Amino acid sequence: QSALTQPASVSGSPGQSITISCTETSSDVGGYNYVSWYQQHPGKAPKLMIYEVSNRPSGVSNRFSGSKSGDTASLIISGLQAEDEADYYCHSYTSSRNWVFGGGTKLTVL
Amino acid sequence: QVQLVESGGGVVQPGRSLRLSCAASGFIFRSYAMHWVRQAPGKGLEWVAVISYDASNKYYADSVKGQFTISRDNSKNTLYLLMSSLRPEDTAVYYCAKDGNYFGSGSFPDYWGQGTLVTVSS
Repeated sequence: QSALTQPASVSGSPGQSITISCTETSSDVGGYNYVSWYQQHPGKAPKLMIYEVSNRPSGVSNRFSGSKSGDTASLIISGLQAEDEADYYCHSYTSSRNWVFGGGTKLTVL
Repeated sequence: QVQLVESGGGVVQPGRSLRLSCAASGFIFRSYAMHWVRQAPGKGLEWVAVISYDASNKYYADSVKGQFTISRDNSKNTLYLLMSSLRPEDTAVYYCAKDGNYFGSGSFPDYWGQGTLVTVSS
């Protein structure tokens, strides 16, 4: 079973860049193959921001990008804006049929 | 455009059952796996279950295995979640979500419904 660890909170000022990490701790031999990221505003449904580590769905701002190095995936938000303040969740799917969300990170725009 | 509308939530006593539905439109429902994801009040997202596009494969989180059953009716473009022996810790908003890949047994959720609240309380 996989587990994904995210920081509880991050913050940044408008115009700055921030990074949210997502680290896998797993005994899953299948590995950490597919990572996606979701944005959730209070009282709203989650919205897909990044899929398969670094792909951006149509309509998502290019200020959002994703990467992965070893066991840690990252969501990078550049040119921070007030409307980016939200909760962010990473998600992993492995070839051994394991789906899991990270605990979530609250982003505060100062 | 993709639309997912959940229904069937409400207040239910511990030990009882409840069936959630998710009506899908705006895409070829029979071609995509579908997920259920839940979120307890003030908590994070928890993946619950996934069903392949043709219902031949179903996978569950350990926390609901043997208690919840996912199913679909491709003729009605509808996804279901039958929840049995409900416990207070099953209280959550339940979201249905379309899978991001064509066919297959499930990868990542892309489009989400607005959710339906299930409250398990006596």
